[in-house]
Amino acid sequence: GAVVSQHPSWVICKSGTSVKIECRSLDFQATTMFWYRQFPKQSLMLMATSNEGSKATYEQGVEKDKFLINHASLTLSTLTVTSAHPEDSSFYICSAVGLTSYNEQFFGPGTRLTVL
Amino acid sequence: GQNIDQPTEMTATEGAIVQINCTYQTSGFNGLFWYQQHAGEAPTFLSYNVLDGLEEKGRFSSFLSRSKGYSYLLLKELQMKDSASYLCAAMDSNYQLIWGAGTKLIIKP
Repeated sequence: GAVVSQHPSWVICKSGTSVKIECRSLDFQATTMFWYRQFPKQSLMLMATSNEGSKATYEQGVEKDKFLINHASLTLSTLTVTSAHPEDSSFYICSAVGLTSYNEQFFGPGTRLTVL
Repeated sequence: GQNIDQPTEMTATEGAIVQINCTYQTSGFNGLFWYQQHAGEAPTFLSYNVLDGLEEKGRFSSFLSRSKGYSYLLLKELQMKDSASYLCAAMDSNYQLIWGAGTKLIIKP
């Protein structure tokens, strides 16, 4: 089956620093990648949709200057949380849609971010 | 607006059967997904329905009624490892997933 990896799996950082999270599709090419955020006991919240080679589309209420998304290739998308604050602490999950499996999203294992 | 409703929490007994319901309202419809999510982990795909009817896959089955905007996930022969949250998600006309808040399923021995 299709595999999506995320790195790092967890990160602790100081307030004001920036954190980069990588999302890779390991055995397929992902035309579209999605970035989600999930707070404890809540459902997934879509932050942005990114297509390879173009700018990401952000959901309402998500600051594009704070959450920088780069989808440089068909196998890699990165999310950078700039000037992180404690309220940004969350579980960040990416998912990818392949060229031949548009109706199924494959999820990465998630990255738990804790901002002190 | 777009909306997904599913129960917040359900409890069932090991070996029994449980049905988790989901109703949805979306702008257009391109299918209904069920995902399983264990605490602290990402969701894993369970099923996809786009046509009316029942899809069976081992102990898990999923049903869809497009006219009623309704789906259910049926879990048979419950095992303790089935304790998890079950997320219902509908895909709209823009191929975006609209997520429910998830149903936390507690399995008791």
